Amino acid sequence: GAVVSQHPSWVICKSGTSVKIECRSLDFQATTMFWYRQFPKQSLMLMATSNEGSKATYEQGVEKDKFLINHASLTLSTLTVTSAHPEDSSFYICSATLGGPYEQYFGPGTRLTVT
Amino acid sequence: GEDVEQSLFLSVREGDSSVINCTYTDSSSTYLYWYKQEPGAGLQLLTYIFSNMDMKQDQRLTVLLNKKDKHLSLRIADTQTGDSAIYFCAERDYGGSQGNLIFGKGTKLSVKP
Repeated sequence: GAVVSQHPSWVICKSGTSVKIECRSLDFQATTMFWYRQFPKQSLMLMATSNEGSKATYEQGVEKDKFLINHASLTLSTLTVTSAHPEDSSFYICSATLGGPYEQYFGPGTRLTVT
Repeated sequence: GEDVEQSLFLSVREGDSSVINCTYTDSSSTYLYWYKQEPGAGLQLLTYIFSNMDMKQDQRLTVLLNKKDKHLSLRIADTQTGDSAIYFCAERDYGGSQGNLIFGKGTKLSVKP
């Protein structure tokens, strides 16, 4: 089946620094990638939708200047958390779709801890 | 907006059947999904059902859809300790950004030996 990877799987950073998370579709070309955030014991909340070669579409309440998304190719999207703060600590999950209406394939997630 | 509701916890004994329930509000949903999340891991698609179906069976999993009541359930037969995880119900939001998924809060399934 379709495989999506994320790197790193976990990261600890100091407050004020920036962190980049990569999402790759390993064996298919993803026209659209989604970025989700999951707080402990809570559901996934969509942050933004990323299409290759165009600007990401952010959900209401998500700061686009803080969460920079770059979808450089059909197999790679990156999320950069800029000037991270402890409240940004969370589990970030990406997903990718083949373009049909059927399935999103999820990455394993990246746990970010900001100290 | 669209909303997906699930009960938060379910505890069963090994070998019993588990039934996880979900209600949703968007009547235009065409696909509904069940995902499994093990501790510290990402989401694994278990199964999905198209809205013109009432039931779908896949080995130990049975999905029932009552479109009139907007109720979805996942039945796991012969539940095993390896089934312990959080199960998310999700609907596809075509009114939002390109078909993203709307998730419930997840039901934590605990399987006792």
